[in-house]
Amino acid sequence: QSALTQPASVSGSPGQSITISCTGTSSDVGGYNYVSWYQQHPGKAPKLMIYEVSNRPSGVSNRFSGSKSGNTASLTISGLQAEDEADYYCSSYTSSSTLGRHVVFGGGTKLTVL
Amino acid sequence: EVQLVESGGGLVQPGRSLRLSCAASGFTFDDYAMHWVRQAPGKGLEWVSGISWNSGSIGYADSVKGRFTISRDNAKNSLYLQMNSLRAEDTALYYCAKDNVKFRRFLEIAYFDYWGQGTLVTVSS
Repeated sequence: QSALTQPASVSGSPGQSITISCTGTSSDVGGYNYVSWYQQHPGKAPKLMIYEVSNRPSGVSNRFSGSKSGNTASLTISGLQAEDEADYYCSSYTSSSTLGRHVVFGGGTKLTVL
Repeated sequence: EVQLVESGGGLVQPGRSLRLSCAASGFTFDDYAMHWVRQAPGKGLEWVSGISWNSGSIGYADSVKGRFTISRDNAKNSLYLQMNSLRAEDTALYYCAKDNVKFRRFLEIAYFDYWGQGTLVTVSS
């Protein structure tokens, strides 16, 4: 299964907004509303931030939001804070007649808060 | 409090086997699908395998299919991963992860709301 495509890095200043993209195909991101986003700080386990494209789990700040257009999903973080500096991964359900059903992750994006 | 504690990792030679375990607590284990996700050193996340709440549905990444076997023992609140014919590219931190929806119909529509701290598997001669 091919990984979803994310930018290697993004950066922003405190208080600004940033958006991380996640590009797939019609077999994954574009075909289903089953996209999720994870935040991972160094040496820590990932944390679920967004599921089903735009839903926030209980306890996740409303500064985090998700959306999707065509084959590209996006994670937007508004009011950037120093603690948001981390790696971010998108994930999607993927299904095709040849490869079956799987879970696929993006390659990850390192967010730097300047 | 939900807790997932992995064990069983270590240094193993190529071609050998290893069995990982994940002990779960703080939730009704047999209501949820469970998964293994790995992360090679300095690399991204990779889904390895998942098993439905009743073991009726099982899935594997193509990279491990035929070599790894996932299983669970709901009476012991435990998840397992039997890894055979290990390769250098299997070297990674292996996480146990819980799905966030009870009795999910499709295993691969998975949102991992709790993760363990991982167990490190190193495959090297």
